[in-house]
Amino acid sequence: EVQLVESGGALVQPGGSLRLSCVGSGFTFSDNYMDWVRQAPGKGLEWIGRSRNKPQGYTTEYAASVKGRFTISRDGSKNSLYLQLTSLKTDDTAVYYCVRVVGSSSYFDNWGQGTLVTVSS
Amino acid sequence: DIQMTQSPSSLSASVGDRVTITCRASQGIRNYLAWFQQKPGKAPKSLIYAASSLQSGVPSRFSGSGSGTDFTLTINSLQPEDFATYYCQQYISYPLTFGGGTKVEIK
Repeated sequence: EVQLVESGGALVQPGGSLRLSCVGSGFTFSDNYMDWVRQAPGKGLEWIGRSRNKPQGYTTEYAASVKGRFTISRDGSKNSLYLQLTSLKTDDTAVYYCVRVVGSSSYFDNWGQGTLVTVSS
Repeated sequence: DIQMTQSPSSLSASVGDRVTITCRASQGIRNYLAWFQQKPGKAPKSLIYAASSLQSGVPSRFSGSGSGTDFTLTINSLQPEDFATYYCQQYISYPLTFGGGTKVEIK
């Protein structure tokens, strides 16, 4: 069974930093693209970025709203995906989900349960 | 960026009803369209990919159709567990974008 478990969410002050983690199990982690999606309180879903798979060199893509502030990385030996958040703003307050991407056309299948990041002074 | 517009933003329906949600893309996306269901306080669940293919384990009362710019999600014989918010998403180009959501409520 595929499982994704996020952690690392916390209350952080504006301008601060945080690292979120997502541990995958039940599949060969390095074979899949992995994405981050967030959801601000009471709002819709927003795609944050992507880590391609190992054959693609774990290269990344980002949404304009976070490019230069957020960094996605992976540790294949730990089946882990990371999201480093820096220069945090109050608008970054959200639940952050990691999502497995499958297929040659790269669609989503499994989602983690999410981890809450609150940016507030 | 490709804009995804869902309609309606909310609807009220009864158990047993047939419900249709529409999603329109601001430019052609072929069939690179997915649908998700989200219940309050829970992570989204993937329902449909490639506009009409059901994810594993999704009941057959859910169906999707469309290509290009216009898409629909249909729920036949609405069940109590189907009351939720539904989102469409395009994944043909970066940034991936979602529709604003359609909340399906109990009438």
